[in-house]
This record gives sequence, structure tokens and C-alpha cells, in this order.
Amino acid sequence: GDSVTQTEGQVALSEEDFLTIHCNYSASGYPTLFWYVQYPGEGPQLLFRASRDKEKGSSRGFEATYDKGTTSFHLRKASVQESDSAVYYCALSDSGGSNAKLTFGKGTKLSVKS
Amino acid sequence: DAGVTQTPRHEVAEKGQTIILKCEPVSGHNDLFWYRQTKIQGLELLSYFRSKSLMEDGGAFKDRFKAEMLNSSFSTLKIQPTEPKDSAVYLCASSLDREVFFGKGTRLTVV
Repeated sequence: GDSVTQTEGQVALSEEDFLTIHCNYSASGYPTLFWYVQYPGEGPQLLFRASRDKEKGSSRGFEATYDKGTTSFHLRKASVQESDSAVYYCALSDSGGSNAKLTFGKGTKLSVKS
Repeated sequence: DAGVTQTPRHEVAEKGQTIILKCEPVSGHNDLFWYRQTKIQGLELLSYFRSKSLMEDGGAFKDRFKAEMLNSSFSTLKIQPTEPKDSAVYLCASSLDREVFFGKGTRLTVV
């Protein structure tokens, strides 16, 4: 079945540091890829998505580029802020069929100190 | 515009009890999901409905977990009987055109 593997556990950074969270996927079709962010006490919320090879998704200074060749969708931000502290999930959805369910990675907790 | 509403936000149950979690999806959305969230496993799909029809029922959860969609604006997740290992956050989500919106979840503690 489909699966997503992302940087495990926690990433601890200082403000203005560069962020990379790795995400690799395995899917039989041509999936749509997503990044979700979850703050304490809230459900995950969509950061952005990408549906085609080489498409870049971006929001709030975060970005990721769909790379079909390396089956990757790594999340990057040039300069993190304390307010970016949250759990980040990479996910995929099989866009070829009628199934809209999301398959998630296990999440990466980002902690940013000022 | 109301988002996905889940009730209760917190639930404490004794082992062996039956509990029912409730969800109201975003109006007009035709896909509804139930996920379980734990620190170890992350987000696991429990059930998926499209236009009230059950599309997928998470295999590992069929035994004691039953989700129903009584109408397009209301869904329940029943856990019967509860076990301590069911302690987790249960998230409901709805979707239109593959954009998925999550509720704030119900934190279940089974003692």
C-alpha cells in the first residue's frame, strides 16, 4: 500500500535557522502530496499541496517541490520563527482514483527557541 | 463558516465501557474520515465515508470500532468495549475536492 516516510521525532532549532524536514513517499499511482501543520489542541491544517512533478507548493514562507524522480517532497523554510513550533505531517492522496483518503507520515515535531 | 465540530473534547472511560464520539462535518463536504492519533503511530485511518457510504474500514480497528454516518451532517464513532490501549486523540475530518479539514479532536482516556 501507499506509505510516507518523514524525518522522525523532533527537530530543535533557533530562530532564523534554516529548516529542512525530509519526506519520501511510496505510491502505486501518481499521488497528490501535502504538508499539514498541527498546533497544540488543534487538528492538522493544510499548509499546501502539489499535484504534479516539479510543482512547488508554498505558504507562510514554507515550501516544498514535488520530485517524482526521487519520490520526495521535502519541507523547507529559510528562517524559522518561534511561532513555527508545531508538528508537521507529510501526506499523500491517490489522485488517480475516487479515494480521497490521506496517508500520513508519522509527524515531525519542530521546536524553535528564541 | 463552521468547521468540523467534534464532541466531546475530552472523555474519560473505564475499561469495558462503551463510548460514542460525535462529529459534524463541514456543510457540503461529501467525504468524512475518522483518524486515531497517538505519539507512537501518528495518524491512523479508522473509517472513510463518501456520500454516507462506507468506503474503507481500517482493518485493524474493525473489531471494537464502528463508525456510522447517519446523515450527511452527522457521524459517530463507537468503541465497544474500550480498552486502555484505546487512549488516544480521535480526529474527524471532512473533505471536498481533496482539501481535508480536521476537527480539534476528542482526547479519550481509558482507565
